[in-house]
Amino acid sequence: NAGVMQNPRHLVRRRGQEARLRCSPMKGHSHVYWYRQLPEEGLKFMVYLQKENIIDESGMPKERFSAEFPKEGPSILRIQQVVRGDSAAYFCASSRSGTGLSGELFFGEGSRLTVL
Amino acid sequence: QQQVKQSPQSLIVQKGGISIINCAYENTAFDYFPWYQQFPGKGPALLIAIRPDVSEKKEGRFTISFNKSAKQFSLHIMDSQPGDSATYFCAAISWREANNNAGNMLTFGGGTRLMVKP
Repeated sequence: NAGVMQNPRHLVRRRGQEARLRCSPMKGHSHVYWYRQLPEEGLKFMVYLQKENIIDESGMPKERFSAEFPKEGPSILRIQQVVRGDSAAYFCASSRSGTGLSGELFFGEGSRLTVL
Repeated sequence: QQQVKQSPQSLIVQKGGISIINCAYENTAFDYFPWYQQFPGKGPALLIAIRPDVSEKKEGRFTISFNKSAKQFSLHIMDSQPGDSATYFCAAISWREANNNAGNMLTFGGGTRLMVKP
C-alpha cells in the first residue's frame, strides 16, 4: 500500500537549468497539493490540483513555476531557469477528497532541490 | 494567505517532561486544527487534530487544548521521550472556504523543533 511517492528525492541543478519534480498520489486520491519548505522554515502552500485542473495556485510564484496533474501519470512541478533561492524541499501531499472534508493530507517524503 | 503563528521555534525538554507548543490564528473562519509531526528527511504526518466545538482532545500522550475566544491552540506532549524529537507543525483550515474550492489548503505554522534529551 504505497503512500505518496515523490521523485527524485534529491536533485541538483545549476542556475538557469530546469527542475522537474514528480508526485504520484496515494491510490484512490485525486487531490494533490504542493508545498515548499525552505531551510529552518515552515511549509508554504504553492498549488492545489485535481486531475487536469489547477484549483488554487495562489502560492505559486508568478514566473518560472508551473504545475500540472494530467489525466494519466503523476503530478509535475516544474521550475524553469532555477535560481539559488529555489533551493528547498518540495513536498507533495494528496487527499481522497478536498481537505474540507477530512482535513488530512498525506505527505510524500519530499524532493530536495539544490541549486548550485 | 491566512497566518498561523507558532511558538517556540525550538524546544529542549528532558525525558519525562512536558513539551508545550503554542499556536495562534486570526481567521475566525478556521474550523479544523491539525498537528503534523515531521522527522528529519521525512514528510509531515498527521499526529492529532481538533475541531473548535471541543476544548480538548487527547490521544495517548498527546493533547490538544483549544481556546476559541483567544484564538489559540496548543499541543502538549506528556512524558516526552527521545523518540518524540521532531519538528511539529500546527495548521488550520476553513471548511467553509474549502467547500467553495477557495483557499482549499491547510495553512501551516512555522514549526517547532523539539529535542527531548535522554
